[in-house]
Amino acid sequence: KQEVTQIPAALSVPEGENLVLNCSFTDSAIYNLQWFRQDPGKGLTSLLLIQSSQREQTSGRLNASLDKSSGRSTLYIAASQPGDSATYLCAVNMVTGGGNKLTFGTGTQLKVEL
Amino acid sequence: DGGITQSPKYLFRKEGQNVTLSCEQNLNHDAMYWYRQDPGQGLRLIYYSQIVNDFQKGDIAEGYSVSREKKESFPLTVTSAQKNPTAFYLCASSPARGTEAFFGQGTRLTVV
Repeated sequence: KQEVTQIPAALSVPEGENLVLNCSFTDSAIYNLQWFRQDPGKGLTSLLLIQSSQREQTSGRLNASLDKSSGRSTLYIAASQPGDSATYLCAVNMVTGGGNKLTFGTGTQLKVEL
Repeated sequence: DGGITQSPKYLFRKEGQNVTLSCEQNLNHDAMYWYRQDPGQGLRLIYYSQIVNDFQKGDIAEGYSVSREKKESFPLTVTSAQKNPTAFYLCASSPARGTEAFFGQGTRLTVV
């Protein structure tokens, strides 16, 4: 059974700092990996999708990497801002089974302080 | 605007009642999904549907039911058989298997 772990569970950084969020998964037979952002009481906003054949994806200040063989992904946030404060979730999509049966980690709660 | 609309935003249920959560999408996506989120836990899949008139159970389907009569709609009914229904429910859709998933804004269900 696929298990997804995110470390750290919570992180507080000063504005402007570069930071890395970690995601690890136990079964490397994934189809893709997706990073999401969730604000309190809100739904999930898709940030980046990395296919299993890709090593990284970039969008603005965000860069996500994938090392499928070691079961790891990182989300790099450059020059963090208070507006980046949210919970960040990673989810893996397995090759077997039908549909996007995403398995989620429990998230990293990020606070960027002025 | 294209997107996924969940309603209502807040829902209160009395013990023994069935309630239905609405999910509508205008993205022309084939696949739709229901997830449940509890504090301190990751999202868990309840049901999913790849095409109209077809759906499959996810990891925690007991006490829930769904229908997919139209491509754009995937309502979730929380039945009285669900013993712990208080949670945040999220609906998602994707164009096809293995593509990017998009989520609605969620419905918070509370048992009173």
